[in-house]
Parts: sequence; structure tokens; C-alpha cells
Amino acid sequence: DTAVSQTPKYLVTQMGNDKSIKCEQNLGHDTMYWYKQDSKKFLKIMFSYNNKELIINETVPNRFSPKSPDKAHLNLHINSLELGDSAVYFCASSQGQRGVYEQYFGPGTRLTVT
Amino acid sequence: GNSVTQMEGPVTLSEEAFLTINCTYTATGYPSLFWYVQYPGEGLQLLLKATKADDKGSNKGFEATYRKETTSFHLEKGSVQVSDSAVYFCALKLSGNTPLVFGKGTRLSVIA
Repeated sequence: DTAVSQTPKYLVTQMGNDKSIKCEQNLGHDTMYWYKQDSKKFLKIMFSYNNKELIINETVPNRFSPKSPDKAHLNLHINSLELGDSAVYFCASSQGQRGVYEQYFGPGTRLTVT
Repeated sequence: GNSVTQMEGPVTLSEEAFLTINCTYTATGYPSLFWYVQYPGEGLQLLLKATKADDKGSNKGFEATYRKETTSFHLEKGSVQVSDSAVYFCALKLSGNTPLVFGKGTRLSVIA
């Protein structure tokens, strides 16, 4: 009964490929997020969706496209992968966005681009 | 802009030692403050939070007090255990549709 799950856990691919990471939450939350954690452990928000609507879109290359088919899912598609995309990507969810609701994080997807 | 500064790691302590991890913030409004912990190979978990000045968050023996006058939210624990070895992140959030802003994380290693 994992609260926030991500697939795959590990992803190794070559430059130029297109790949997707999936995220699902079973907490009934209405807000979901994607974060990127670089090799130095620095965490930065990429996107936030509230009720399937894009709320936050930080300075992220447009090769990254989030898609939220419903409130429980937020997928991340990455086109034309580059070496610098190698990182751990975390999905998170919360009940609400405007307040100080706790964010629940998934286990992460380690992406390695060779 | 809004930012969080944490002490550089790694921090290595012996079991039962006292822990302090410093965190200061810069914010345009009145943020809520958080400490998250990331155990090896896992995602982040909320450790504690404080939503207004002078609030003290506490959990699992960890404490942090929201100090508006010094814009700080230092994490403390009186007696660390090997199982506390992890990366600790200080974060802030302003009200409205704003994201969590994280510090760079501090790795703690506790040795027996």
C-alpha cells in the first residue's frame, strides 16, 4: 500500500532518446509535484499540478513535459535526453497547494544518461 | 528571492552525541519551515515543521524552533543513534501556489 510510487526505479539510457517516468499516489491528494535532485543532493521543484492543472512550471527545458491524466497520476516525459539530465527525479503529492500541507515523496527514479 | 542555507556537511558524530544542523532562510514573506530527512535509497520524509515565529517542531527526539529575529530554524537532537544517519534538508514554503524551497542538504553519519 505504497503512498507515492514511481516507475521505474532506475533508468539507464543513451543521449538523444525519449523516456517517461510514471508516478501514482493513492492518498487522495489533489496536488502533485516533480522535483529533480542533482549529484550534489540539491533538490529543486520542476512542476506542480493541482487537480490536473499546471500550477508551477519552473525554468525547465521544454524537452520536459509533465502529463496528468487524472488527480492520482503525474507522469514526466523527457525528449532528446542529455547528459545533464542525469539525476534522481522525485514525485510528491499533497492535499492542497496553497497551505502548508505535508508533501509525501516517492522513492525516486535514478536516471542515468550515457 | 527565497532561499535556504544549511551548514555544509558531512557531519560525523559518535552515537549519543549532541546534534545541531544550522539552517537560515531568506524569504519575501512569512514562510512555514520544515525539516525533511532522506534515508539511503529512499525518498524524503517530513521530520518536523513550524508554521509561525516561536513555534517549536519536534519528532523522534529532533527539535527545531522558528526564530524570526535570526531567520533560523536549527535542527537539534540530544543523543543521536546510528539509525539517524541520513541527509537532512531544511525547507521553506510561502503561502499561495508556491513550491517548497530546499537547502542543499546536510549528510549526517553516526558511528557506533
